Amino acid sequence: SQTIHQWPATLVQPVGSPLSLECTVEGTSNPNLYWYRQAAGRGLQLLFYSVGIGQISSEVPQNLSASRPQDRQFILSSKKLLLSDSGFYLCAWGGQYNEQFFGPGTRLTVL
Amino acid sequence: GQNIDQPTEMTATEGAIVQINCTYQTSGFNGLFWYQQHAGEAPTFLSYNVLDGLEEKGRFSSFLSRSKGYSYLLLKELQMKDSASYLCAVRDPTSGTYKYIFGTGTRLKVLA
Repeated sequence: SQTIHQWPATLVQPVGSPLSLECTVEGTSNPNLYWYRQAAGRGLQLLFYSVGIGQISSEVPQNLSASRPQDRQFILSSKKLLLSDSGFYLCAWGGQYNEQFFGPGTRLTVL
Repeated sequence: GQNIDQPTEMTATEGAIVQINCTYQTSGFNGLFWYQQHAGEAPTFLSYNVLDGLEEKGRFSSFLSRSKGYSYLLLKELQMKDSASYLCAVRDPTSGTYKYIFGTGTRLKVLA
């Protein structure tokens, strides 16, 4: 069966510091992968999606970037965090009907 | 524009039935999804509708009317563990691949 991992689970970072969040998927090959952010009191916002290695589509212009160096690895990065980057970051992959299966998430607080 | 509307909050009693509505206006449509999200956790997939009608899965059912841009999630025999947020999402293929637009969610409180 498919499993999706994210780490770290929680993170507290100062404004202006860099960020790297990692997501890996097991039990499937060539998955569609997604990064979402859920801010307090708001819906899930799609940040990036990827249909294959090195293929990244950005949904929202901001100071975040994503990379897919391997088939089942998806990385979210930032060179300088902003206060507004705080939120719950979720990685997901697309299932049989392209329903989204989410990882456990990373709760990021930028101070 | 892209818009999905759900009530912000609902309250129901244990053992009762509750219906959570969702209306959508999107550029394209290729499926409507419902997810359950407990506080502090990731969403989990509940149901998928692509054709009009009712899909039943145990205590949960989901209905879709594409002509009305409308769906509902029906929860029967409510249990305390059903207290969670319920997210409605539409898959929009107009970009050439599959993008998902999520509503802000309906927070359901089940009272004893």
